[in-house]
Amino acid sequence: QKEVEQNSGPLSVPEGAIASLNCTYSDRGSQSFFWYRQYSGKSPELIMFIYSNGDKEDGRFTAQLNKASQYVSLLIRDSQPSDSATYLCAVPNVDSSYKLIFGSGTRLLVRP
Amino acid sequence: DAGVIQSPRHEVTEMGQEVTLRCKPISGHDYLFWYRQTMMRGLELLIYFNNNVPIDDSGMPEDRFSAKMPNASFSTLKIQPSEPRDSAVYFCASSLFGQREVLDTQYFGPGTRLTVL
Repeated sequence: QKEVEQNSGPLSVPEGAIASLNCTYSDRGSQSFFWYRQYSGKSPELIMFIYSNGDKEDGRFTAQLNKASQYVSLLIRDSQPSDSATYLCAVPNVDSSYKLIFGSGTRLLVRP
Repeated sequence: DAGVIQSPRHEVTEMGQEVTLRCKPISGHDYLFWYRQTMMRGLELLIYFNNNVPIDDSGMPEDRFSAKMPNASFSTLKIQPSEPRDSAVYFCASSLFGQREVLDTQYFGPGTRLTVL
């Protein structure tokens, strides 16, 4: 089992809809979780991080963490075509928290 | 700040040749990471440094790969000899020790797209 798993997509949503991206992880000891966005041909950029169970909101983005079920999700409200990108979930290695383990990413396509 | 700087942005070479990728981290950052990204394997950490010292190189695929950080503002990743399967995008990232949220934010460079023929 991969340490961090994501559906590769593409996830296609109409403009204005809510996009829901999911990520599961295998190590129950994981304490922090990160969402990176990567546009085609560009480098990853951090958009959200979450440490505690529950929701964390930042503008149109909401990260949801459920440690008991070992999943973390990212909701994008009022999706825009500019949100079309690959979203990478990352979890620090429990033995070495500076090592980020990335999922393979979910490609999001927002249709105008 | 100019952000993380990588050079070259594109590199095309022939199998067997030596390849050197360069990275300048954000000034003041004390962690530097080298990643490789391919369609098949996704984004993988190769090695990371703290205060110019290699901390974990367990992700380096083979002895053909080596990395150095002679000072706080410069790092290299060398592949010798290169092989077609080394073709990938190589990213350098840096971060700053401090508050947890600050530490965990890794800032990525634009990457070097390597093609080995």
